[in-house]
Amino acid sequence: GAVVSQHPSWVICKSGTSVKIECRSLDFQATTMFWYRQFPKQSLMLMATSNEGSKATYEQGVEKDKFLINHASLTLSTLTVTSAHPEDSSFYICSALGPLAITSYEQYFGPGTRLTVT
Amino acid sequence: GIQVEQSPPDLILQEGANSTLRCNFSDSVNNLQWFHQNPWGQLINLFYIPSGTKQNGRLSATTVATERYSLLYISSSQTTDSGVYFCAAQTGANNLFFGTGTRLTVIP
Repeated sequence: GAVVSQHPSWVICKSGTSVKIECRSLDFQATTMFWYRQFPKQSLMLMATSNEGSKATYEQGVEKDKFLINHASLTLSTLTVTSAHPEDSSFYICSALGPLAITSYEQYFGPGTRLTVT
Repeated sequence: GIQVEQSPPDLILQEGANSTLRCNFSDSVNNLQWFHQNPWGQLINLFYIPSGTKQNGRLSATTVATERYSLLYISSSQTTDSGVYFCAAQTGANNLFFGTGTRLTVIP
């Protein structure tokens, strides 16, 4: 149980275009999901917290107009990188609070999406 | 946010050896997780252990919350154990903060 999927697993796009990444909880409902970013050989950095039916909360330094997050259902959150530039190239990972979210803070992570902007 | 430090940063082991990875954190926690990031980037949940001791096969973890550290033990290591091990901690209603990881290489 507590499986999180992401799509696509990798994407290459041209500078100036937009890319949408989907994060789904497959076997549980996730009222809260998170989006992280990881650069090569570095740790994960939280970008934003996504709550179903409300606006996302962005971490300091993350441009909310560039990284659009939508959490329209209890099993799906999307991250759209708008007007992508080469410096946006990174590994994007989503996570979800697990099925025991009322009693546990445990997060479950998707397999990640590798974005390359040319 | 909470500070999370991991040691050692790199570890090379012969297959069959045992190892201990350490995670220090700067505040009391309500969430402490250990992950293994495989070569494809997938984070695999190893333990959810804000306190106490847990074991799962060749792996075990202990968190001493009062002293603000957690240990991950790997026994009889195998080449498939290679990868990066992260611990991540959360305090209160704040976010999950990741340590910088321990890169483990197990050689045959």
